[in-house]
Amino acid sequence: GAVVSQHPSWVICKSGTSVKIECRSLDFQATTMFWYRQFPKQSLMLMATSNEGSKATYEQGVEKDKFLINHASLTLSTLTVTSAHPEDSSFYICSARPTGENRSGYTFGSGTRLTVV
Amino acid sequence: AQSVAQPEDQVNVAEGNPLTVKCTYSVSGNPYLFWYVQYPNRGLQFLLKYITGDNLVKGSYGFEAEFNKSQTSFHLKKPSALVSDSALYFCAVREWGNTPLVFGKGTRLSVIA
Repeated sequence: GAVVSQHPSWVICKSGTSVKIECRSLDFQATTMFWYRQFPKQSLMLMATSNEGSKATYEQGVEKDKFLINHASLTLSTLTVTSAHPEDSSFYICSARPTGENRSGYTFGSGTRLTVV
Repeated sequence: AQSVAQPEDQVNVAEGNPLTVKCTYSVSGNPYLFWYVQYPNRGLQFLLKYITGDNLVKGSYGFEAEFNKSQTSFHLKKPSALVSDSALYFCAVREWGNTPLVFGKGTRLSVIA
């Protein structure tokens, strides 16, 4: 089945530094990937839609200059949290599905727990 | 815009008893409905989906869900709960095409031995 690998699974960084999170589709190609953010005991909120070879589409209220998304290939999307602050601490999850399989569900990465100190 | 409601924050059930986790949805076109389960500090695991066809959908780990168009519901069920079923369950909906999933707020299931 479709597998999505997300790395790292957890990271601690200092305020003001940047952190890059990778999302890879291991056995399929994904034109589109989605990035979600989850606060403790809350639901997943869509942050942005990552499109291969073009700019990401951000949801309202998400700062595109803080959360940089790059989707340079059909199997890799990256989310970079720039100049991180403690309020950016959260659980970030990516998802994808094989290109063209419109009837499929999405496969999720295992998530990244970001703690900014 | 599509939306999902999970009216219960928490569901408690005794091991061996049947369980139901409720979900209602709102979508302009035909709904594509999903259930996912999340364990602590983990990503989401796919349980089952409804795209078209039979209203009763069977999924992983003995779970099933019934699509009810008139009530716009997609409740998750299992005939006999296990302690290992204790987790956070999310109902989600999307429309046709490369559209993202919209999630409910989640329901925490606790199965007591």
